[in-house]
Amino acid sequence: GDSVTQMEGPVTLSEEAFLTINCTYTATGYPSLFWYVQYPGEGLQLLLKATKADDKGSNKGFEATYRKETTSFHLEKGSVQVSDSAVYFCALSDTPAQAGTALIFGKGTTLSVSS
Amino acid sequence: GAGVSQSPSNKVTEKGKDVELRCDPISGHTALYWYRQSLGQGLEFLIYFQGNSAPDKSGLPSDRFSAERTGGSVSTLTIQRTQQEDSAVYLCASSLQGAYGYGYTFGSGTRLTVV
Repeated sequence: GDSVTQMEGPVTLSEEAFLTINCTYTATGYPSLFWYVQYPGEGLQLLLKATKADDKGSNKGFEATYRKETTSFHLEKGSVQVSDSAVYFCALSDTPAQAGTALIFGKGTTLSVSS
Repeated sequence: GAGVSQSPSNKVTEKGKDVELRCDPISGHTALYWYRQSLGQGLEFLIYFQGNSAPDKSGLPSDRFSAERTGGSVSTLTIQRTQQEDSAVYLCASSLQGAYGYGYTFGSGTRLTVV
């Protein structure tokens, strides 16, 4: 079945450091890929998405590129801030033929940024 | 409404009691999902409603769990005879027409504690 694997955290960085959170997936079709973020005490928010191979999703300085050849969707940011401290979830939704199928989430990666 | 609304935000119950959790999705969203978020376990899919179709109950962990969606809008997740392992944050999400290409909008969740 479909699955998402994220690097385990916690990831601890200093402010202005470069961030990479790895995400790989297994899917039977042609999934859409997502990154969600959960700030302390809040619900999950959609951070960015990509719907086909080689698409790059971006938002708030974060980027992720849909790599079909490596089945990956790694999240990157060039210079993290303390306010980026949160839990990040990678997720996929399979093909339109199965539209409405629930999102499948990774286990989440906790990022902690110190000043 | 403007967002997905869940109530109560916190619920403490005694082991063996029944609880009802409510979700009010974004107006016009036909798809509604319930997830459970346990510490260190990521997001576990529970149940999915799409329009008037029969719900996808494949994620419900036991027959103590049930959910309904009345009039295609508000949903109630019911847990009967609660156990301590049911303690978690229960998240509801809605989507205009399914997750593919769109993702969903999450509510802030109900934190359930079974004592």
